Amino acid sequence: DAGVIQSPRHEVTEMGQEVTLRCKPISGHNSLFWYRQTMMRGLELLIYFNNNVPIDDSGMPEDRFSAKMPNASFSTLKIQPSEPRDSAVYFCASSLRRGGLEADTQYFGPGTRLTVL
Amino acid sequence: AQSVTQLDSHVSVSEGTPVLLRCNYSSSYSPSLFWYVQHPNKGLQLLLKYTSAATLVKGINGFEAEFKKSETSFHLTKPSAHMSDAAEYFCVVSDRRRDDKIIFGKGTRLHILP
Repeated sequence: DAGVIQSPRHEVTEMGQEVTLRCKPISGHNSLFWYRQTMMRGLELLIYFNNNVPIDDSGMPEDRFSAKMPNASFSTLKIQPSEPRDSAVYFCASSLRRGGLEADTQYFGPGTRLTVL
Repeated sequence: AQSVTQLDSHVSVSEGTPVLLRCNYSSSYSPSLFWYVQHPNKGLQLLLKYTSAATLVKGINGFEAEFKKSETSFHLTKPSAHMSDAAEYFCVVSDRRRDDKIIFGKGTRLHILP
């Protein structure tokens, strides 16, 4: 299994530009998560999807951020317009949500390091 | 509400000595607990997971963790540290009886001294 795939691995852009981060979850997984990691704030959950439907987007910082999951094998996180404070590592994770009370194991991608100048 | 506290932001041990990374959680019910490891410039990798079976959980790379309900702790240990263990470690709690939120600790950076 290829694991969770994220692209690009590094992105450098200028303030005001649109940025699109991409994620391909593990085949067969039905939940997908976007996280942001910074030194100051640690790891933050931005949004998660179950069966391609956004379930909780309370972590999305503001309207400049949007996420989509058009099908089970692809998701995007878009920032428009980007700002220097958006500089961070963005992780995508996927899991297989089962019924019951046991929490699912999340499998993380390698991350996209975003730098906004 | 659920919460997780990693008591040390940095831990330094000498190679070959035991490792102890501390984690305390708060949950009203019976939580699922995880430890993840993040090596520099890498994604997070699952070390081990507790889900109400055995209270002592063995993970990869010789790590293990013990669930102690009376102490609300889930400390991570390893008998003998290796240089390759230098990384950041995250304790995670989730309680599906309450909600679907997954709460990450702030992380503990483990330094291995030669």
